[in-house]
Amino acid sequence: AQSVTQPDIHITVSEGASLELRCNYSYGATPYLFWYVQSPGQGLQLLLKYFSGDTLVQGIKGFEAEFKRSQSSFNLRKPSVHWSDAAEYFCAVGALTGTASKLTFGTGTRLQVTL
Amino acid sequence: GAVVSQHPSWVICKSGTSVKIECRSLDFQATTMFWYRQFPKQSLMLMATSNEGSKATYEQGVEKDKFLINHASLTLSTLTVTSAHPEDSSFYICSAARQETQYFGPGTRLLVL
Repeated sequence: AQSVTQPDIHITVSEGASLELRCNYSYGATPYLFWYVQSPGQGLQLLLKYFSGDTLVQGIKGFEAEFKRSQSSFNLRKPSVHWSDAAEYFCAVGALTGTASKLTFGTGTRLQVTL
Repeated sequence: GAVVSQHPSWVICKSGTSVKIECRSLDFQATTMFWYRQFPKQSLMLMATSNEGSKATYEQGVEKDKFLINHASLTLSTLTVTSAHPEDSSFYICSAARQETQYFGPGTRLLVL
């Protein structure tokens, strides 16, 4: 069975500082990996995804993530955080079931940004 | 592109009544949609997979007679919480799949009194 671990429940960074959110996965085959962001009381917005190819993936809002098969990791990074980035971030791994990926989510990391 | 809507955004109902939540993919067709439940400060829990034109597939522990799912068209899936009770109060989120990627709706907050 697949699983996702986000070891950091809560992270606080200063505005303008760099950010790295950790994600480790367990999956028997090549995973489909996703990062989503959720603002309070809202649904999830897709930041970026990795299926194959270049292991460094660029997403929206200046985010990027790097797939490292040897470490079973897919960490999310941003060089300079903005106050509007404060939200909950979820890493997810997908298993292909027919034409759609059934996702397993991590427990999430809450990002707080101080001014 | 890839916009998913949910209606209503929030609903308050009395215990014992049924509540229907709609999930629509606005600018693409979705053969598969998913329904999740999220408790405060927790991750998403997959409830069921909804496939257009066929019966939904429920995750272990989810009562299919309690949470009725209908996927009548390629752009609409509905979740009906039947005979709702206070323990059904939660944040329900749907997603629609376009190829291998799920796009999420804004969620529906249900409060059962």
